[in-house]
Amino acid sequence: EIVLTQSPGTLSLSPGERATLSCRASQTISSNYLVWYQQKPGHAPRLLIYGASSRATGIPDRFSGSGSGTDFTLTISRLEPEDFAVYYCQQYGSSPPKWTFGQGTTVEIK
Amino acid sequence: QVQLVESGGGVVQPGRSLRLSCAASGFTFYNTGMHWVRQAPGKGLEWVAVMWYDGSQQYYADSVKGRFTISRDTSKNTLDLQMNSLRAEDTALYYCARDRNGGLFDPWGQGTLVIVSS
Repeated sequence: EIVLTQSPGTLSLSPGERATLSCRASQTISSNYLVWYQQKPGHAPRLLIYGASSRATGIPDRFSGSGSGTDFTLTISRLEPEDFAVYYCQQYGSSPPKWTFGQGTTVEIK
Repeated sequence: QVQLVESGGGVVQPGRSLRLSCAASGFTFYNTGMHWVRQAPGKGLEWVAVMWYDGSQQYYADSVKGRFTISRDTSKNTLDLQMNSLRAEDTALYYCARDRNGGLFDPWGQGTLVIVSS
């Protein structure tokens, strides 16, 4: 079973700063099925990045994803007030079909 | 636009059953995969179950296998989750989500809260 480990658990930054979030898989996974979501308090998660690096519709270009193999990164180039939230990575495995999430990284206002 | 609205949550005693429903609109439900994902209070996300796009297959997380059953009614555009033998650890906000590209969830409903407590 593939385990996704996100780091850090909490990131304390100021608006305008750069945020770098890590998602590490316990074994090599396909970039096609590495996804990032944003969740704000009291709201459902929202799709941010799919295929490791493609932005979902309506997602600002300050959000970018990268990585391959076992190491993936979500970068927010300049934090806006609305970006402070919890971010989850997720992957899909096919034998048998199973969807796995990382434990989340909280980006909080410093 | 795509809309998913969950219902059926509530407080239930351990060992009892509950049935959740998700009403879908704004897309072709009958050929779209659908998932249930849950989130325990203050915790992360856990995938629960999937209904394959054509209704031919269903898969479950190990934590609910044998107790939960996912089903759909394409005439009503609804996705259900029958939850039996409920445990305290099943307490969570349950989201339904549309499958896209076989690997991601987009969008999500607003969730329905299930509390398992005596």
